[in-house]
Amino acid sequence: SQQGEEDPQALSIQEGENATMNCSYKTSINNLQWYRQNSGRGLVHLILIRSNEREKHSGRLRVTLDTSKKSSSLLITASRAADTASYFCATDRWNTDKLIFGTGTRLQVFP
Amino acid sequence: NAGVTQTPKFQVLKTGQSMTLQCAQDMNHEYMSWYRQDPGMGLRLIHYSVGAGITDQGEVPNGYNVSRSTTEDFPLRLLSAAPSQTSVYFCASKGGIAYEQYFGPGTRLTVT
Repeated sequence: SQQGEEDPQALSIQEGENATMNCSYKTSINNLQWYRQNSGRGLVHLILIRSNEREKHSGRLRVTLDTSKKSSSLLITASRAADTASYFCATDRWNTDKLIFGTGTRLQVFP
Repeated sequence: NAGVTQTPKFQVLKTGQSMTLQCAQDMNHEYMSWYRQDPGMGLRLIHYSVGAGITDQGEVPNGYNVSRSTTEDFPLRLLSAAPSQTSVYFCASKGGIAYEQYFGPGTRLTVT
């Protein structure tokens, strides 16, 4: 079963707007990662947030983590057409080597 | 560095045929893994390896075998292909204490 579920499944916005994607997971985690996948390509790591962190920034990316609600959000500010891609959260649990992915959010940014 | 490479890029099999999907990495990463990606399902972990000679099952291991005889290579074998194995397969690796995984470009497999 999937560890992570994301919503929305699809999101369409205009360039310059912010995009927010949410991820929920089921069990206690060690850390949570966000990956990006351009159409027909492999996944690329964006950002990692540890279970003892609540917020992290990287450029135009802002990630939050609420372990009490077992949820995370990815905010992309001032979006660009080049941000068009699918975004996945992935979690791993303590003492395991398995990285479990969510179902992904397809983001379309219109110029 | 070439990173993570996968061959072939595309493959069509008939039901019952066997084949091996190749994965190699040149980053000296100990950890390697295989995922399959199906529409609406995200990525699901098939098998993974924490080092040469060590493999373990992921979420969906049935119908697939792996081995890890070297640090660089982690082939995925389909013993008797079924239409349910039609998917895009990704190999990934990570090294040391890092959590970030590096993905290959994928193999698109169709089983008819």
